[in-house]
Amino acid sequence: EVQLVESGGGLVQPGGSLRLSCAASGFTFSNFWMSWVRQAPGKGLEWVANIKEDGNEKYYVDSVKGRFTISRDNAKNSLYLQMNSLRADDTAVYYCARVRAVAGTDFFDYWGQGILVTVSS
Amino acid sequence: DFQMTQSPSSLSAPVGDRVTITCQASHDISNYLNWYQQKPGKAPKLLIYDASNLETGVPSRFSGSGSGTDFTFIISSLQPEDIATYYCQQGWAFGQGTKVEIK
Repeated sequence: EVQLVESGGGLVQPGGSLRLSCAASGFTFSNFWMSWVRQAPGKGLEWVANIKEDGNEKYYVDSVKGRFTISRDNAKNSLYLQMNSLRADDTAVYYCARVRAVAGTDFFDYWGQGILVTVSS
Repeated sequence: DFQMTQSPSSLSAPVGDRVTITCQASHDISNYLNWYQQKPGKAPKLLIYDASNLETGVPSRFSGSGSGTDFTFIISSLQPEDIATYYCQQGWAFGQGTKVEIK
């Protein structure tokens, strides 16, 4: 059974840092692109970042470029999101998601339960 | 910038009714359109990929169609457990979501 379990969320002050982790199990982690998707309170879904199977390609939504860093450790079956210079509008539930690619399209076929990040003084 | 425009933003229908949600892409995306269901307090769940392919285990009352820029998601007979917000997605863009309630 595929499982994705996020950890590391919490309350942080504006300008602070936080590192999210996602522990993957039930599949060959190193064979899949992985993503972070977030959802601000009462709002819709927003893709944040994704990373290639080997970690050599990374992409970010414009609003987090230069502040967030996605990484992975295939030996530990783990995905990470280092978040620096946090702002109030980064407050959201952050989901770890597996990316499946089928004939030219990508979609998120498994999701973690989500972890809340609150940026507030 | 690429955009997905989803409508309506919310709807209310009786149990057993047919429910239709649409998603319009800002440019041709072939059939590369996916649909998710998110129940309150839960993670999203993939329902349909590539416009019309039902994910394994998803009930057959859910369906999708379309290509190019215009796509449709249908619940053929609304059930109480279908109360959720539904999102379309292409690449790294999500639609705004449609909240479905029972009338």
